[in-house]
Amino acid sequence: GNSVTQMEGPVTLSEEAFLTINCTYTATGYPSLFWYVQYPGEGLQLLLKATKADDKGSNKGFEATYRKETTSFHLEKGSVQVSDSAVYFCALRKGTDYKLSFGAGTTVTVRA
Amino acid sequence: ETGVTQTPRHLVMGMTNKKSLKCEQHLGHNAMYWYKQSAKKPLELMFVYNFKEQTENNSVPSRFSPECPNSSHLFLHLHTLQPEDSALYLCASSHGLAGGFTDTQYFGPGTRLTVL
Repeated sequence: GNSVTQMEGPVTLSEEAFLTINCTYTATGYPSLFWYVQYPGEGLQLLLKATKADDKGSNKGFEATYRKETTSFHLEKGSVQVSDSAVYFCALRKGTDYKLSFGAGTTVTVRA
Repeated sequence: ETGVTQTPRHLVMGMTNKKSLKCEQHLGHNAMYWYKQSAKKPLELMFVYNFKEQTENNSVPSRFSPECPNSSHLFLHLHTLQPEDSALYLCASSHGLAGGFTDTQYFGPGTRLTVL
């Protein structure tokens, strides 16, 4: 079946540090890939997405590239801010199926 | 108001109470979802509605009863819940269920439910 594996947290960084959150997936065919972010006390917000191999999703300084050869969709940001402290979820959706398969989430804390 | 809204944001209820959670989407979408987010567990899909018709019930206990009167509103009626039902309940919507590029799910802020 479809599954997503994220690096375990928590991750603690200093402001302006480089952030990488690893995400790998298992799926047949060509899934769509997503990163959602959940700020403290809030629901999930779509951060970025990619629907085919080599697509790069980007938003708010975050980027992720759909790598089919490594079945990965790692999230990166070059310079994090305290306001980026949140839980980040990688997710996939297979083809024409509406169901999302979520990773366990990675908690990121950015210190001033 | 835009996006997906949920009310109330926080709810505390006893095991014998009856309460309802409300979700409203202002995105013109046709599909709506209920998810449960418990601590240290993956997000669980509970129910899916498409054009007001239920298309998915993910083996959810009958003490949770969904209602979708139209494509913009979704309710979750709660009755005789258990303490282990305490969680964040998230509503989401999408244009449709075909899984295409436009069918990205957009989430509301959630209702934090505590069952005493």
